[in-house]
Amino acid sequence: AAGVIQSPRHLIKEKRETATLKCYPIPRHDTVYWYQQGPGQDPQFLISFYEKMQSDKGSIPDRFSAQQFSDYHSELNMSSLELGDSALYFCASSLRQGPLEAFFGQGTRLTVV
Amino acid sequence: DQQVKQNSPSLSVQEGRISILNCDYTNSMFDYFLWYKKYPAEGPTFLISISSIKDKNEDGRFTVFLNKSAKHLSLHIVPSQPGDSAVYFCVIRGTDKLIFGTGTRLQVFP
Repeated sequence: AAGVIQSPRHLIKEKRETATLKCYPIPRHDTVYWYQQGPGQDPQFLISFYEKMQSDKGSIPDRFSAQQFSDYHSELNMSSLELGDSALYFCASSLRQGPLEAFFGQGTRLTVV
Repeated sequence: DQQVKQNSPSLSVQEGRISILNCDYTNSMFDYFLWYKKYPAEGPTFLISISSIKDKNEDGRFTVFLNKSAKHLSLHIVPSQPGDSAVYFCVIRGTDKLIFGTGTRLQVFP
């Protein structure tokens, strides 16, 4: 069965650069969530989208933005990268109605040097 | 303010025995609960879920119990296997986000 696909799996950027992370949800899933997990930390909610509209926002820095496109894939754009942005970034997808399980991608490991 | 707490940061269990992971939550309006297993540098893997209309759900070696009045749920794994060694997260499905617990690191030893 198709799972949530994230790309790239690994990314190395320098400080002040920009990064774009992509998430391809499970087909027919209408909701996407983004999470950040720093070293030794629990996953922190960043933002979610339902039917291409932002539905909730967590502790996402103003330097970050995200959107969900017409094909339901989502992109997290991160600008003016800081060393503290080094983390594992996960996205998950689910259905708003029906089975409520959410499935996660394998994550993108971002390293800012 | 931590809405979902897993009070045991770690748990060590012998292979073949039962592992019991606990989770407490604060908001009685929550009505859908999930458990995930996570290996380092990988995404969380969905294990089992339960809705507030039930008090038990079973899937193979995994059983989740929900006590709504106590706002408490637990995950039982029996028999535990070395491959179960991972961090387990209790997650509450909100309307537009997944609320993670603090995680419990389970180690299953031979």
